[in-house]
Amino acid sequence: AQSVTQPDIHITVSEGASLELRCNYSYGATPYLFWYVQSPGQGLQLLLKYFSGDTLVQGIKGFEAEFKRSQSSFNLRKPSVHWSDAAEYFCAVAPSGAGSYQLTFGKGTKLSVIP
Amino acid sequence: NAGVMQNPRHLVRRRGQEARLRCSPMKGHSHVYWYRQLPEEGLKFMVYLQKENIIDESGMPKERFSAEFPKEGPSILRIQQVVRGDSAAYFCASSPPIIAGGRGEQFFGPGTRLTVL
Repeated sequence: AQSVTQPDIHITVSEGASLELRCNYSYGATPYLFWYVQSPGQGLQLLLKYFSGDTLVQGIKGFEAEFKRSQSSFNLRKPSVHWSDAAEYFCAVAPSGAGSYQLTFGKGTKLSVIP
Repeated sequence: NAGVMQNPRHLVRRRGQEARLRCSPMKGHSHVYWYRQLPEEGLKFMVYLQKENIIDESGMPKERFSAEFPKEGPSILRIQQVVRGDSAAYFCASSPPIIAGGRGEQFFGPGTRLTVL
């Protein structure tokens, strides 16, 4: 069965600092990979996704993620964090074949931003 | 274009009661998915429905849980005889029709927080 690990439960960064959120997955083949963000009281919003091709993926709000097959990782990065980025971030995987709609999520990383 | 709507946003039930959670997909979306997030856990897939059809319910508990997506109206997740362990956030997502071999992005609602006393 596939699984997702987000090793950092809570991260605090200063506004303007760079950010990297870690995500490791366990899956037999290369899965589809996603990052979602959830602000309090809101639904999950898709930041970016990887299906195939270029391993560096650009998303919305200035985020990017890099798929590293050798490390089974899909870390999310942003060069300069804004206060409005404070939220909870979820990494998710889905099978690349049948059942590609079945997203499996990590437990999330809560991001706090210090002004 | 309104997003995915879920109601109620918060629901409190006593043990043994029934819980009904509603999900209205985005306009034009005919696929609905339900996920459950237990405390301190990530979201887990429960069920995938299209209008009047259950496509995949492999993530649904075998007893007390059911889901439907009728021809008219919202999708309903129904939990009978709730127990304390059902306390969780339940998220609904929707997607447009998935072209064969394609991948449909799922758009999530804000969730329903169920508390069982």
